Amino acid sequence: GIQVEQSPPDLILQEGANSTLRCNFSDSVNNLQWFHQNPWGQLINLFYIPSGTKQNGRLSATTVATERYSLLYISSSQTTDSGVYFCAVVYSGAGSYQLTFGKGTKLSVIP
Amino acid sequence: GAGVSQSPRYKVTKRGQDVTLRCDPISSHATLYWYQQALGQGPEFLTYFNYEAQPDKSGLPSDRFSAERPEGSISTLTIQRTEQRDSAMYRCASSPTGAGANVLTFGAGSRLTVL
Repeated sequence: GIQVEQSPPDLILQEGANSTLRCNFSDSVNNLQWFHQNPWGQLINLFYIPSGTKQNGRLSATTVATERYSLLYISSSQTTDSGVYFCAVVYSGAGSYQLTFGKGTKLSVIP
Repeated sequence: GAGVSQSPRYKVTKRGQDVTLRCDPISSHATLYWYQQALGQGPEFLTYFNYEAQPDKSGLPSDRFSAERPEGSISTLTIQRTEQRDSAMYRCASSPTGAGANVLTFGAGSRLTVL
């Protein structure tokens, strides 16, 4: 099956700093989503971004499908950004619909 | 409802007992998914429903796991004869048909601990 690798596995930031999280995937995809799992365990959809660039406030994401990677940018980080960020993809093969998740990047933002 | 609701939020049970978890998806959403998330890992697909049909059960880890969605809305996931390795967060998600079909909305999850 398709492999999803996220880096770095852990990241500690001072409040106000910027960061880039990376997601590499092993095959062509027709669906890519970024999620934030907050410290209470809730999994929140941040972006649906199988290709191109999107921005939402301090967060933005870029997916280069031909090179099989996606990046999530967090600017001016806040303590509320802490949690685990997951990248999830759907292989573009016929009949495929299962989201395959990476292991996540655990982000800690300290005041 | 406005969001995906799961119950119970926490369940502690003894090995060998049966457990049933419930998911109430967003009311307009036709598709419902179940995922299992072990501690420190990303969620893994278990099964999904399109209305009441269950086209794929391939992610269910054993025949002790079963899921239902008899009326195409609320779904249950049942684990029979629970084992310690079943301890995990069980997440339900739903998505609409048409526009937005690829975007999943997850519930808060049900954390199962098997002693």
